[in-house]
Amino acid sequence: DAGITQSPRHKVTETGTPVTLRCHQTENHRYMYWYRQDPGHGLRLIHYSYGVKDTDKGEVSDGYSVSRSKTEDFLLTLESATSSQTSVYFCATRPLAGGLETQYFGPGTRLLVL
Amino acid sequence: DQQVKQNSPSLSVQEGRISILNCDYTNSMFDYFLWYKKYPAEGPTFLISISSIKDKNEDGRFTVFLNKSAKHLSLHIVPSQPGDSAVYFCAASEGDGGIYFGSGTKLNVKP
Repeated sequence: DAGITQSPRHKVTETGTPVTLRCHQTENHRYMYWYRQDPGHGLRLIHYSYGVKDTDKGEVSDGYSVSRSKTEDFLLTLESATSSQTSVYFCATRPLAGGLETQYFGPGTRLLVL
Repeated sequence: DQQVKQNSPSLSVQEGRISILNCDYTNSMFDYFLWYKKYPAEGPTFLISISSIKDKNEDGRFTVFLNKSAKHLSLHIVPSQPGDSAVYFCAASEGDGGIYFGSGTKLNVKP
């Protein structure tokens, strides 16, 4: 457990509204990631960060933006939520010197867009 | 199109027997493979990994086999225990890029 918390844990929102999910870590890990998990697709990378203010797109980044102003926080924003963004969102962190096996996942946020 | 595939959505095994979970991939540039275990309402946790320069890695009851020519890997759990019941994700990576996950296999170990 790398001290990763996600908030909120559950959220119901309406189409067209903005939504921000927060990932907070206490381990001072350099890398942070946002994934979404959907039936039949496993986990897919949305965005990742390799340092404060350094972010890059993942496999399914359309409709999402991220920000990392502090080492410990990585925010995922849906500017205008759509029903296709209903999913379970997982944050993950990894230390600079660690291999991929040292990527730790948070407990997830379940988002429902009506 | 998914680069990592787990074609069996579920698997049921008797306690004490062997569980074999399979995974196929399409990208020949993948050089590192991982298995994760996931319980409901929790994030995935790392289980075991293997580099593309090896064909087998063992950790206690868990063994991962890699067949590069077939682009296939498998996870063996021997003996299976009820606590092993979870969803297992296969994942692959190329260099220091992102991790590509399969869709998961739900393992049920019956007492």
